[in-house]
Amino acid sequence: DVKVTQSSRYLVKRTGEKVFLECVQDMDHENMFWYRQDPGLGLRLIYFSYDVKMKEKGDIPEGYSVSREKKERFSLILESASTNQTSMYLCASSLNRFNSPLHFGNGTRLTVT
Amino acid sequence: GESVGLHLPTLSVQEGDNSIINCAYSNSASDYFIWYKQESGKGPQFIIDIRSNMDKRQGQRVTVLLNKTVKHLSLQIAATQPGDSAVYFCAENWASGGYNKLIFGAGTRLAVHP
Repeated sequence: DVKVTQSSRYLVKRTGEKVFLECVQDMDHENMFWYRQDPGLGLRLIYFSYDVKMKEKGDIPEGYSVSREKKERFSLILESASTNQTSMYLCASSLNRFNSPLHFGNGTRLTVT
Repeated sequence: GESVGLHLPTLSVQEGDNSIINCAYSNSASDYFIWYKQESGKGPQFIIDIRSNMDKRQGQRVTVLLNKTVKHLSLQIAATQPGDSAVYFCAENWASGGYNKLIFGAGTRLAVHP
């Protein structure tokens, strides 16, 4: 089974802090994704990557950046955390670029105070 | 617990009954569809997928039906069990600019009563 591991289950950060959310997958998947999930808004794509050192903006990239230095690891960075970034963050990976299901981690619940 | 969706439509069923969860998708060019299950405190879990060249696909206790004419997807769960209680999401695949993007529905909460 694919395992997508997010390093933190819960995080509490202060406004203005730089925040790193880490994600590792163990199935040699090419593609990795970061979503945020908010009540009433569903899952929204922040950034994705189809290869090492490659990144593409999703639907809501503002306030975020990403890093993919190794195939198995995809990091989401909040350069200066704000309260409106309080959310559940979900990392996912998939085998193929097209028509391939995403496999999700269990999420990081981030609270920015 | 995690509040995945505070205002989701809810389907309540009796244990042992069959459940049908519906989803309307938006893009007639979508070529691939997935159903996910999300339990409280966990990430979405893949259940079953279907490509647009199919109308029906069956898994273990689950069946997905695709009606491209009306852009409708349904998930049928046979003999629903308490462990099936969760939020269920459909997702459609958009291929745009050489990239593949999944668009998720808002979700339906399934509540199974003994």
